[in-house]
Amino acid sequence: GAVVSQHPSRVICKSGTSVKIECRSLDFQATTMFWYRQFPKQSLMLMATSNEGSKATYEQGVEKDKFLINHASLTLSTLTVTSAHPEDSSFYICSALITAGFNYGYTFGSGTRLTVV
Amino acid sequence: EDQVTQSPEALRLQEGESSSLNCSYTVSGLRGLFWYRQDPGKGPEFLFTLYSAGEEKEKERLKATLTKKESFLHITAPKPEDSATYLCAVTQNTGNQFYFGTGTSLTVIP
Repeated sequence: GAVVSQHPSRVICKSGTSVKIECRSLDFQATTMFWYRQFPKQSLMLMATSNEGSKATYEQGVEKDKFLINHASLTLSTLTVTSAHPEDSSFYICSALITAGFNYGYTFGSGTRLTVV
Repeated sequence: EDQVTQSPEALRLQEGESSSLNCSYTVSGLRGLFWYRQDPGKGPEFLFTLYSAGEEKEKERLKATLTKKESFLHITAPKPEDSATYLCAVTQNTGNQFYFGTGTSLTVIP
């Protein structure tokens, strides 16, 4: 089945530094990928939608200059948290849209636990 | 406003005690309703996709159903390994965005 590989699974960084999270589709081409943020015991909140070769579409309230998304190829999307602060500590998850005829679905990465100290 | 609501927020069951989780939606132009399972510290794992009212799908002890207003995830004779958070999500005909409900945290006690 379609697999999305997300790295790193955990990262600890100092306040003010930037962190890059990668999301790769391993056996399919992902023209559309999504980035989510999840706080403890809460549901996933969509941050942005990225389409290969074009600018990402951000959800309301998400700072595009802080959360840089790049989807330069059909198999790789990256999320860079710039000038991270403790309030950016969260669980970040990527997802890829898979289409196969009429049916379609979404497969998720394993998530990245970001801790900013 | 389009909305996806799950209930209950948390559910504790004895092993073998069947029950149902609910996902209510008010989005217009439903394209698909999805059920996922999420274990702590991991990404969601796909369970089912439902597209039209009346549709049902089964997988082991789980059965998902869909009406025009809600979906149920029925768990028959659950086991401790079924303990997880179950997430419901919907997409609309107008786009590919994927909106999650609040989730139900299920604990199955041996």
